[in-house]
Amino acid sequence: GNSVTQMEGPVTLSEEAFLTINCTYTATGYPSLFWYVQYPGEGLQLLLKATKADDKGSNKGFEATYRKETTSFHLEKGSVQVSDSAVYFCALWGYSSASKIIFGSGTRLSIRP
Amino acid sequence: DTGVSQNPRHKITKRGQNVTFRCDPISEHNRLYWYRQTLGQGPEFLTYFQNEAQLEKSRLLSDRFSAERPKGSFSTLEIQRTEQGDSAMYLCASSSGGETQYFGPGTRLLVL
Repeated sequence: GNSVTQMEGPVTLSEEAFLTINCTYTATGYPSLFWYVQYPGEGLQLLLKATKADDKGSNKGFEATYRKETTSFHLEKGSVQVSDSAVYFCALWGYSSASKIIFGSGTRLSIRP
Repeated sequence: DTGVSQNPRHKITKRGQNVTFRCDPISEHNRLYWYRQTLGQGPEFLTYFQNEAQLEKSRLLSDRFSAERPKGSFSTLEIQRTEQGDSAMYLCASSSGGETQYFGPGTRLLVL
């Protein structure tokens, strides 16, 4: 079945450091891929998405490219801020999943001032 | 667009009691989803409605759980005879049929 594997955390970086959070997936067909972010005490917010191979999703300085050949959707940001501290979830949605989103286990990111 | 709302935000109950949560989706969205998130894990799918029809239920949804969406608008999730293992964040999401789901803030349940 479909699944998502993402880099285990926690990840701790200094402010202005470069961020990469790895995500790979297993799916039949051509799923849509997402990154969701969860700030402390809040629900999930959609950060970015890509719906087909080679698409790049971007938002708030974060980027991720849908790589079908490596089945990956790594999240990157060139210069992180303290306000980026949160839990990040990689996820996929595909018709074979019968409409549900399948999430990875999440990566907790902490940014030191 | 007021977003997805959920009530209550927090619920503490004693084992064996029944609890009910409510979700109000984005008004024009015909699809509504329930997920459960335990500590340190990603959300897991529970059930899904298209309008008032419940189209899919996960095997995680034991017979103590029931969900309804009577008029195709808001939805309720009831847990009967709660157990400590039911302690989790219950998330609701809605969509207009595309791949993007918009999540509410969740209801955090603690069963003592």
